[in-house]
Amino acid sequence: EPEVTQTPSHQVTQMGQEVILRCVPISNHLYFYWYRQILGQKVEFLVSFYNNEISEKSEIFDDQFSVERPDGSNFTLKIRSTKLEDSAMYFCASSGDRGSNQPQHFGDGTRLSIL
Amino acid sequence: SQQGEEDPQALSIQEGENATMNCSYKTSINNLQWYRQNSGRGLVHLILIRSNEREKHSGRLRVTLDTSKKSSSLLITASRAADTASYFCASTVNQAGTALIFGKGTTLSVSS
Repeated sequence: EPEVTQTPSHQVTQMGQEVILRCVPISNHLYFYWYRQILGQKVEFLVSFYNNEISEKSEIFDDQFSVERPDGSNFTLKIRSTKLEDSAMYFCASSGDRGSNQPQHFGDGTRLSIL
Repeated sequence: SQQGEEDPQALSIQEGENATMNCSYKTSINNLQWYRQNSGRGLVHLILIRSNEREKHSGRLRVTLDTSKKSSSLLITASRAADTASYFCASTVNQAGTALIFGKGTTLSVSS
């Protein structure tokens, strides 16, 4: 069964550094998402992306964050200048249809640790 | 606003028993979904129930939705040790939007 893959599985970065998290969504999906989960807390929506532009974003997704689909397969999340509070699991998801009655398929996540 | 609060936070049962998890939400929803998360892994979609549906089944899973009480329940029948995981409800609140709003989850432990 096709799946969403994320790399790396664990990223350790110094505070203030830039980090790029990578995702390969399911190949025929058109809608892409990033979520994060701080340890012990809820999964929180960050951003959704369709047709090469952001379609929806949360308050968390401020100017330090950006997303890109640099080619036909990858979907990336960049954090420009990381803070300690950015430490979390980051999940990428994709869906085949923007209709809200479609499930989103998640990757296994990237654990981001900011030192 | 908080959307989707599960209870209990933790549930421990024996294999073969049924597990019931509840979810409450505050605003109107378009649909409600349940996801499972094994330790250290991503979220796996289990079942989706639309706002105009009251009950849905999938294998050993049964989901109910009561929009008047803004609540949903997930029942896992004849549980197995492999069902040990965290279970989350998530909802979409907009017709056009697709952001999933998750609850904090119920941690289910099934012992053999």
